[in-house]
Amino acid sequence: AQKITQTQPGMFVQEKEAVTLDCTYDTSDPSYGLFWYKQPSSGEMIFLIYQGSYDQQNATEGRYSLNFQKARKSANLVISASQLGDSAMYFCAMREINFGNEKLTFGTGTRLTIIP
Amino acid sequence: EPEVTQTPSHQVTQMGQEVILRCVPISNHLYFYWYRQILGQKVEFLVSFYNNEISEKSEIFDDQFSVERPDGSNFTLKIRSTKLEDSAMYFCASRTTPNSYEQYFGPGTRLTVT
Repeated sequence: AQKITQTQPGMFVQEKEAVTLDCTYDTSDPSYGLFWYKQPSSGEMIFLIYQGSYDQQNATEGRYSLNFQKARKSANLVISASQLGDSAMYFCAMREINFGNEKLTFGTGTRLTIIP
Repeated sequence: EPEVTQTPSHQVTQMGQEVILRCVPISNHLYFYWYRQILGQKVEFLVSFYNNEISEKSEIFDDQFSVERPDGSNFTLKIRSTKLEDSAMYFCASRTTPNSYEQYFGPGTRLTVT
């Protein structure tokens, strides 16, 4: 079973509009974390935002916010006032901790294209 | 700002050859990782490394793969006899302490096996 599901393979959004990228996850662990990474065409992985499972507030970082709905097991990324430079692949990832060992499990990604 | 570096940025090798991908993690980081991303696919965990030994490895990380931290600064991934399906982007990542959550990724090495 997929642990991280991103159901939108591609999205086209008009510049300056807000965009929501969907991510649902599956875990039975009480302690976990959720990340969003941006991967531009150059290939590097750029950390955007993190939400811990015990965090009371939704995480925000500048134009990025994470809509964390624990009961629904969803962690959607919201980008406000989109810019042309936001065009990239976006990956949701879950931090899994197992006997002190930690790894990231990624979703399949969403390709976001901002239209001028 | 400190960053993870990886060399080379692109490596082309023939099937059956050995390759070593190099990473220099951030200097005070203690936990090290390799991930792989086949073109157009998701990023997959390969291996984690702490205290000079493998902490966890995925089923992808078979006997063809090995990791090493030979000199306290470099962290290497060796593929003994490359196969066509090893063609991918390989990312190194590092993390500071047990309580830190962010893994800092390097820019990646694109490996092409012909």
